[in-house]
Amino acid sequence: GQSLEQPSEVTAVEGAIVQINCTYQTSGFYGLSWYQQHDGGAPTFLSYNALDGLEETGRFSSFLSRSDSYGYLLLQELQMKDSASYFCAVKTGGFKTIFGAGTRLFVKA
Amino acid sequence: NAGVTQTPKFQVLKTGQSMTLQCAQDMNHEYMSWYRQDPGMGLRLIHYSVGAGITDQGEVPNGYNVSRSTTEDFPLRLLSAAPSQTSVYFCASSYSGQETQYFGPGTRLLVL
Repeated sequence: GQSLEQPSEVTAVEGAIVQINCTYQTSGFYGLSWYQQHDGGAPTFLSYNALDGLEETGRFSSFLSRSDSYGYLLLQELQMKDSASYFCAVKTGGFKTIFGAGTRLFVKA
Repeated sequence: NAGVTQTPKFQVLKTGQSMTLQCAQDMNHEYMSWYRQDPGMGLRLIHYSVGAGITDQGEVPNGYNVSRSTTEDFPLRLLSAAPSQTSVYFCASSYSGQETQYFGPGTRLLVL
């Protein structure tokens, strides 16, 4: 079967750094994406890694290790508005994308 | 640009009823997909399309039909609604070769 594992909840303090991990087991792999979803809203794209290494976009960075089937999303200088759910997603063969169950991030003042 | 639009926003159905969830995008995206989101289970792919006239099944296609007669529209049909289809449904679109999927605001469906 295909599976993506990520923690169900993470709590951090405003201004801190938090890392959300994702491990995957899929029949095909083209790349790892991250999406953010606020309560009641639609998922919005954050980042995509097709190759090993770190991609940085402002306060957010994403890392991929294909040999370890592992990636993470790093959020720096946390703000209250970062409280949301974060999903990792793997693009598999046949133009399909498989999503993880999501990590709920709580940012405390 | 309106982006990806979905109608209706909310719907209540009785078991056995049929209905169509509408999805439209004005970005000329080739790829369109339908997902359902249930608590604690993330997003699961129902059906997807790589262009007009071409559709394929995702992870959970049973009980749903799709068609893609135009680039802009990708309706999802529930043939005979069941309580297990109570969920939030998201439509998404993207350009060919790009990874960013743009999601619509979702349709919240309750089947009694």
